Amino acid sequence: AAGVIQSPRHLIKEKRETATLKCYPISRHDTVYWYQQGPGQDPQFLISFYEKMQSDKGSIPDRFSAQQFSDYHSELNMSSLELGDSALYFCASSLLSGLAGMGELFFGEGSRLTVL
Amino acid sequence: GQNIDQPTEMTATEGAIVQINCTYQTSGFNGLFWYQQHAGEAPTFLSYNVLDGLEEKGRFSSFLSRSKGYSYLLLKELQMKDSASYLCAARNSNYQLIWGAGTKLIIKP
Repeated sequence: AAGVIQSPRHLIKEKRETATLKCYPISRHDTVYWYQQGPGQDPQFLISFYEKMQSDKGSIPDRFSAQQFSDYHSELNMSSLELGDSALYFCASSLLSGLAGMGELFFGEGSRLTVL
Repeated sequence: GQNIDQPTEMTATEGAIVQINCTYQTSGFNGLFWYQQHAGEAPTFLSYNVLDGLEEKGRFSSFLSRSKGYSYLLLKELQMKDSASYLCAARNSNYQLIWGAGTKLIIKP
């Protein structure tokens, strides 16, 4: 079965530009998460969606926004990029509803954003 | 507040056993996860505990004590490929995941 797909895998942008990252969750998973991970740091939770509605918000800057579409894919939009936004951005999906499974997160391979 | 504590770094020898501890404080409790993450790669799921006791999965086992807010990950017969960061994450009653900063495990020959 296909895992979580993220695109692009690598992205280079200039300061003050915008960037959009895409995430395609595992089929039938109902929850999508976005994480930011700087070098040597633990994943920082940004935002999550449950059944296409925003379910939780973490340390997401106001310059960032995200949404989940009717086909369950999600996009993270980042504007006015700063040097500190350079990081690995992970998307993860899980199945929270129902009795099957434990709701563990399955991570995509990440999108590496470099801001110059 | 909610937080997770785990050691920053541990070193062990190939073929040996290592135990990585994790203590947590959360608003309610809905399970504890362990993930493995190699540098530059995505975290991968290792184990899940929601009831007290030991869950064994091959060379890896995970233990939970809910009354003590404590878990450990036990790795046996260590291999060089086990060198990675091990992330402990507790899920609270709102289904939010609280992540630890990760334990970097260094395996020496």
